[in-house]
Amino acid sequence: QKEVEQNSGPLSVPEGAIASLNCTYSDRGSQSFFWYRQYSGKSPELIMFIYSNGDKEDGRFTAQLNKASQYVSLLIRDSQPSDSATYLCAVNIGQPGGYQKVTFGTGTKLQVIP
Amino acid sequence: NAGVTQTPKFRILKIGQSMTLQCTQDMNHNYMYWYRQDPGMGLKLIYYSVGAGITDKGEVPNGYNVSRSTTEDFPLRLELAAPSQTSVYFCASVRGGGNEQFFGPGTRLTVL
Repeated sequence: QKEVEQNSGPLSVPEGAIASLNCTYSDRGSQSFFWYRQYSGKSPELIMFIYSNGDKEDGRFTAQLNKASQYVSLLIRDSQPSDSATYLCAVNIGQPGGYQKVTFGTGTKLQVIP
Repeated sequence: NAGVTQTPKFRILKIGQSMTLQCTQDMNHNYMYWYRQDPGMGLKLIYYSVGAGITDKGEVPNGYNVSRSTTEDFPLRLELAAPSQTSVYFCASVRGGGNEQFFGPGTRLTVL
C-alpha cells in the first residue's frame, strides 16, 4: 500500500476556474502536511503547509485537512496558466517543527488552459 | 544567501564508475536530505543528516554513501554506478524548528 497517494493527472482546468488537488495518506501518526509545486525541470518549492483539521488559506490557495479520513487537499482559486505544474503532496510523521521524516506522493500534474 | 547549491548540474557516468554529488547550504540549517526523483515518480529519501557528524539511511540507501563533516556540506557518494541510479538527485535543507524544505536545483545523472 502506497503511503501517500495522489492522482497523477493531468488535471485540466480552464483559466479562472478552481483546481482541486487531492491526496490520501496511510500513517495515522502523520503530524504535518505539505504541498509543493514543481515546474518541469525545476526543484520543488513549498506553497502550503497545514497541521490542524480544517482549512488554511493563503492568497489563492487553500489547504484542507481531514485527519479522520486521512485526506488532504489543495484548492487553487482563479487558476492561472502560470499555475501549470506538478503538485506534490508530502506527509511528515515527525513532530511539527522538529526533524522531518517526510514521504512524498508521486504528484498531480495540473494544466491550466488559457 | 545562495540557499542550497548542487554541483554538477548534469553528469553522464559509465557503469562501474564512481562520483560525488556536492551539496552546500549557507542558511545554517541543521537538517539536510538527499532525494532521488525518477520520471513520473515522487521523491525518495536516500540519506539524511540532523547535524554535523550525524547521518542516517532513508528509504533507498543502497549504492550510496554520505558524510556531514560541516553544517554547510552534505556530499553524496555513488560507488560502482549502475543504470538503476539514473535519476535526478535533489539535496534539501531545513532549519531547526522549521517547516519548509529548501531544495537545491538538482543534479541530472545518467548511467550508461
